[in-house]
This record gives sequence, C-alpha cells and structure tokens, in this order.
Amino acid sequence: GIQVEQSPPDLILQEGANSTLRCNFSDSVNNLQWFHQNPWGQLINLFYIPSGTKQNGRLSATTVATERYSLLYISSSQTTDSGVYFCAVMSYSTGANNLFFGTGTRLTVIP
Amino acid sequence: EAGVAQSPRYKIIEKRQSVAFWCNPISGHATLYWYQQILGQGPKLLIQFQNNGVVDDSQLPKDRFSAERLKGVDSTLKIQPAKLEDSAVYLCASSLGQGAADTQYFGPGTRLTVL
Repeated sequence: GIQVEQSPPDLILQEGANSTLRCNFSDSVNNLQWFHQNPWGQLINLFYIPSGTKQNGRLSATTVATERYSLLYISSSQTTDSGVYFCAVMSYSTGANNLFFGTGTRLTVIP
Repeated sequence: EAGVAQSPRYKIIEKRQSVAFWCNPISGHATLYWYQQILGQGPKLLIQFQNNGVVDDSQLPKDRFSAERLKGVDSTLKIQPAKLEDSAVYLCASSLGQGAADTQYFGPGTRLTVL
C-alpha cells in the first residue's frame, strides 16, 4: 500500500512559538487530510487538502501533490494544540476509498 | 448535530474471551468505518460499509473479527476469541458518502485491553 511518513515524530514547543509538520507520501493521492488527536483520543478533522493551500485561524496547510508532500503550519501555538497530528491519504492506486494514516507527530506545547 | 457515538468507552477482557463494540454514526451518513489504532500508531481501516453493504473488509482478520450494519444505521464489531495483540483503541467514523472529498467524522473510540 501507499507509504505515509511524518516528521518530526515528536516536537516540544514553548507557548507562542510556530511550527511546521511535514507529511511525505509515496504515490499520487486524490485525498489528503490532516487530523488532530487530542490527549483524550478524539480525532478531529483539520483540513481536506489534496492540493493547494488552506488556512483556518492559526492553522494552515499546503499540499504540493506533484512532489508528494504536505505541510501543516501552526502559528502562535497554545497548550490546547498539544496532541498527535496525523496526515491521512487516499490513493488512486489502491482502488478503494480508504484513508491511510501516517504514524503522526506528537506535539507538546508547554506554558 | 450529534457526533458519532460509541460504547463502551473502555473494556478489559482476558484472552480467548469475546467482546463487542457498538457505533451509532451521524444521522444521514451512509458510510461507516471501523478503524483499529494500536498504541503509538495511526488508525488502520478494518472495514467500510456503504449503507448496509460491505465496501472493503480486506484488512479485517476474518477468522476472529466480524462486523455488521444490518439496517444501514448503527453497527457492531465483534472479536471472538480475543488475542493479546488485539489490545488497541477501536474507532468508528462516518461520512455522508464514500467519495474522496467526503470528510470522515470520528467517534471517541473504545479502548480494549486484552490480558
């Protein structure tokens, strides 16, 4: 199946700092989503972004489909941003509408 | 709008026992998914339903796992018999359709511990 690699695996930030999370994928995709899993385990969809750039408040994401990567930017981080961020993709080659998740980036924001 | 509901939230069983999980999707969502999330990993799809039909169950260990969505609304996932490696969080998600652009909404999950 498609490979989805995320970096860095762990990130510790001081409150107010900015960060960039990266997602690399091994095949063409027709769906790419970013999720946040909070410390209680709830997965929240942040962006549907198979290509281009989107912004939502302090978060923004860019996907360069031709180069097979996506970036999630978090600005002015807050303690509530802590948790695990997952990139998930759906590939044309699998022939099915399945989301394949990466292993995530664990973000800890300290006050 | 009510979210995806799952129960129980936690379950502890011994190996070789049976267990069942329940999911009620968002009203009107035709597509329902069950994922398994092992500690430290991303969720992995087990089975996908479109209404009451199975779209994809290629990752479901069918010798011990079964799932149904008889009336096309809520769903149950069963493990019989459980193994130690089944310890994980089982997540249910739903979406309006099964298209690439359909957002999946996740429930809070059921944390299973097999002793």
